[in-house]
Amino acid sequence: AQKITQTQPGMFVQEKEAVTLDCTYDTSDPSYGLFWYKQPSSGEMIFLIYQGSYDQQNATEGRYSLNFQKARKSANLVISASQLGDSAMYFCAMRGAQGGSYIPTFGRGTSLIVHP
Amino acid sequence: KAGVTQTPRYLIKTRGQQVTLSCSPISGHRSVSWYQQTPGQGLQFLFEYFSETQRNKGNFPGRFSGRQFSNSRSEMNVSTLELGDSALYLCASSLNFAGTASYEQYFGPGTRLTVT
Repeated sequence: AQKITQTQPGMFVQEKEAVTLDCTYDTSDPSYGLFWYKQPSSGEMIFLIYQGSYDQQNATEGRYSLNFQKARKSANLVISASQLGDSAMYFCAMRGAQGGSYIPTFGRGTSLIVHP
Repeated sequence: KAGVTQTPRYLIKTRGQQVTLSCSPISGHRSVSWYQQTPGQGLQFLFEYFSETQRNKGNFPGRFSGRQFSNSRSEMNVSTLELGDSALYLCASSLNFAGTASYEQYFGPGTRLTVT
């Protein structure tokens, strides 16, 4: 079975500083995808970044980068130069084959608060 | 380009009733997935439809069902509502279904269902 673990229920960061949100995963499927989503208080989930299990390079999307350490089964999200608008819940997720079905699994989320 | 729309945004139902939620994907997207989000269980995958066929299914009882129409719009139905069905129901669309691990989903704002 797939499992995503986010051990930080809440994080605080000063505006313009970088922050790392932790995510570890477990799966027996050699082919999988890892995702990060942002959920502001409005409730809408926003896709941030994707990393494939066979990708050699760490994924980057603007101020977001994914620190992918396959051997450690970790997929941490790094947000550089935090902005006040980055305050939100952040979810790590993975999707891999489970008995022929591709079921996404989400972590419990990390609440990020950016201070001015 | 219009985003994913969900109707209604808020709904209050009584235990034992049934409810139907609607989701219109981004134009051109053929895959629609449904998720349930609760404080206790977090974000859980319900099912995914592609070209009017259910492609993937999460671990929910048969009271939860869905369908997709030829225009890719999708509906989710919950029969015999229970108090525990109170949740935010999110719909997400994508171009392709999750036959591989890598694909990007765009979420709607959600329907907040309260069962009393």
